[in-house]
Amino acid sequence: DAGVIQSPRHEVTEMGQEVTLRCKPISGHNSLFWYRQTMMRGLELLIYFNNNVPIDDSGMPEDRFSAKMPNASFSTLKIQPSEPRDSAVYFCASSLTSEEYTDTQYFGPGTRLTVL
Amino acid sequence: DAKTTQPNSMESNEEEPVHLPCNHSTISGTDYIHWYRQLPSQGPEYVIHGLTSNVNNRMASLAIAEDRKSSTLILHRATLRDAAVYYCILRVHYVSGTYKYIFGTGTRLKVLA
Repeated sequence: DAGVIQSPRHEVTEMGQEVTLRCKPISGHNSLFWYRQTMMRGLELLIYFNNNVPIDDSGMPEDRFSAKMPNASFSTLKIQPSEPRDSAVYFCASSLTSEEYTDTQYFGPGTRLTVL
Repeated sequence: DAKTTQPNSMESNEEEPVHLPCNHSTISGTDYIHWYRQLPSQGPEYVIHGLTSNVNNRMASLAIAEDRKSSTLILHRATLRDAAVYYCILRVHYVSGTYKYIFGTGTRLKVLA
């Protein structure tokens, strides 16, 4: 298995531009998570999908951030407009979640975003 | 909200055991304790998890206090490849059926040759 795939691995953009981060979860997994990691705040959960439905988006910073999961094999995290304070590493993770099974989250390699 | 507290950093000599502590005094009865580690320039990876009993796997052991307010990750023989940031995490289960990982700030483990 290829694991969780994220693209791009690095993104440099200018303030005000739209940024789209992409994630392909592990086949068969039914939960997908977007995290953001910064030196100041550590790892923060942004949003969590289960069976393609957003379950918890309380970590999404503000209206500039949006996430979609149109099908079980693809998700996007969009920032529009981007700001320098959005500079961070964004991780996508997936898991197989059920009431009986205590899941393990598998993380992708991350996308390092720099907003100038 | 559930929270974990870990030392910022620890050092260990190669081939010696390492005990990484974590406090989680606000843990509730349904919260699982997970440990992940993050190697440089990589995403976090699963190490071990438990609920009440001590757990062992090929990577590590997890010792959970009887009152569950603290736990210790044990690496039996540290190697240079174990140098990473180790996160103690509470898997908080909500009544709605959803759950969330609450990450701590992590302990940066340095292994000395």
